[in-house]
Amino acid sequence: NAGVMQNPRHLVRRRGQEARLRCSPMKGHSHVYWYRQLPEEGLKFMVYLQKENIIDESGMPKERFSAEFPKEGPSILRIQQVVRGDSAAYFCASSRTGGTTDTQYFGPGTRLTVL
Amino acid sequence: DAKTTQPNSMESNEEEPVHLPCNHSTISGTDYIHWYRQLPSQGPEYVIHGLTSNVNNRMASLAIAEDRKSSTLILHRATLRDAAVYYCILIRADSWGKLQFGAGTQVVVTP
Repeated sequence: NAGVMQNPRHLVRRRGQEARLRCSPMKGHSHVYWYRQLPEEGLKFMVYLQKENIIDESGMPKERFSAEFPKEGPSILRIQQVVRGDSAAYFCASSRTGGTTDTQYFGPGTRLTVL
Repeated sequence: DAKTTQPNSMESNEEEPVHLPCNHSTISGTDYIHWYRQLPSQGPEYVIHGLTSNVNNRMASLAIAEDRKSSTLILHRATLRDAAVYYCILIRADSWGKLQFGAGTQVVVTP
């Protein structure tokens, strides 16, 4: 059973460009979470999605960031008009039920560098 | 949300046990205690979780104080692969499992 897949693993963008980060959850998992880890900082929750629904986006910056988890295909974290401060590692995790005791399985992350 | 306090770092010799403390004095009765770890340049990895009773799995043991205001993650025989940042996280029973990571404890394992 393949784990959580993220691509690309490394992404370089110039200021003002768009970044699209993809996350394929584990088979049978319909709950996806995105976290961001800024350089020398801890992991911060961004957004929680179920298929076709955003459940909690309390950690998402108000502008330029959006996330989706369509019925078919991977979850996408989209960052428009990137700035240098967006440079970070972005991790997604998936779980089967989204419950309190359910394990979250993390992907290897996408490391975004904004020039 | 209840907060956790962990030491910044701990050092251990290979093959020795490691006891990682976590204080959570404001824990509520329905908060689960979860531990995750993050190896260098990797995504976090689940370690163990518990509510009231001590728990064991193939990776570690979790000892929970009777008043639940603290807990200890025990790695029975540290290996070099156990060098990571370990996070103690509380999750409310009525929540959907959002993980709120603190600074964690950096574990250094010396050969």
